[in-house]
Amino acid sequence: QVQLQQSGPGLVKSSQTLSLTCAISGDSVSSDIAAWNWVRQSPSRGLEWLGRTYYRSRWYNDYAVSLKSRLIINPDTSQNQFSLLLSSVTPEDTAVYYCAREGFYFDFWGQGTLVTVSS
Amino acid sequence: QAVLTQPSSLSASPGASASLTCTLRSGLNVGTYTIYWYQQKPGSPPQYLLRYKSDSDKQQGSRVRSRFSGSKDASANAGILLISGLQSEDEADYYCMIWHSSAAVFGGGTKLTVL
Repeated sequence: QVQLQQSGPGLVKSSQTLSLTCAISGDSVSSDIAAWNWVRQSPSRGLEWLGRTYYRSRWYNDYAVSLKSRLIINPDTSQNQFSLLLSSVTPEDTAVYYCAREGFYFDFWGQGTLVTVSS
Repeated sequence: QAVLTQPSSLSASPGASASLTCTLRSGLNVGTYTIYWYQQKPGSPPQYLLRYKSDSDKQQGSRVRSRFSGSKDASANAGILLISGLQSEDEADYYCMIWHSSAAVFGGGTKLTVL
């Protein structure tokens, strides 16, 4: 059974970088049939896909256009995890952040992390 | 205009059927997209229900009851999630999703109330 365990701070100051990690068990970040995604949810923006990383003979990333300039998603093969780095945050980035495995659909999700951006 | 538009709320009685729509933005043809449906209950992440592209290309999530089914209304350019025999446990938020230009796009969600 795949499990995703999220970690990272719940409070970030405006203009700083939000950093979250998603540790994978029961699968590999280097899987050639899965992709590793970040999704966030807030009352004002609803569910919002942020981006993903995946390995198909080499590493690929896809990012939401609206966040591309501020977002990096990195795999960490040594720790079997992947991370999210969102720079220059504002209170509008306050949300519950989820990591999710994508097979043929988003089938396994992390527990969610409420991240509040303080002004 | 949002890529995917869902009604914000819907109410239906126990035992009845509910049809949840997901309308694609003008210029996007529903026939070319696979529509994914997710159910979310308070305090939990979304859970996959099913995906639907056509009657010959569809898939039900494991442990998802057959009361949940997908379809499309080409005339309305919309995907549809049909829930039959509504039960109180079906009360939840429902989100549609598509992949568009290598990005996942979610609809705004429909809050289904069973009363």
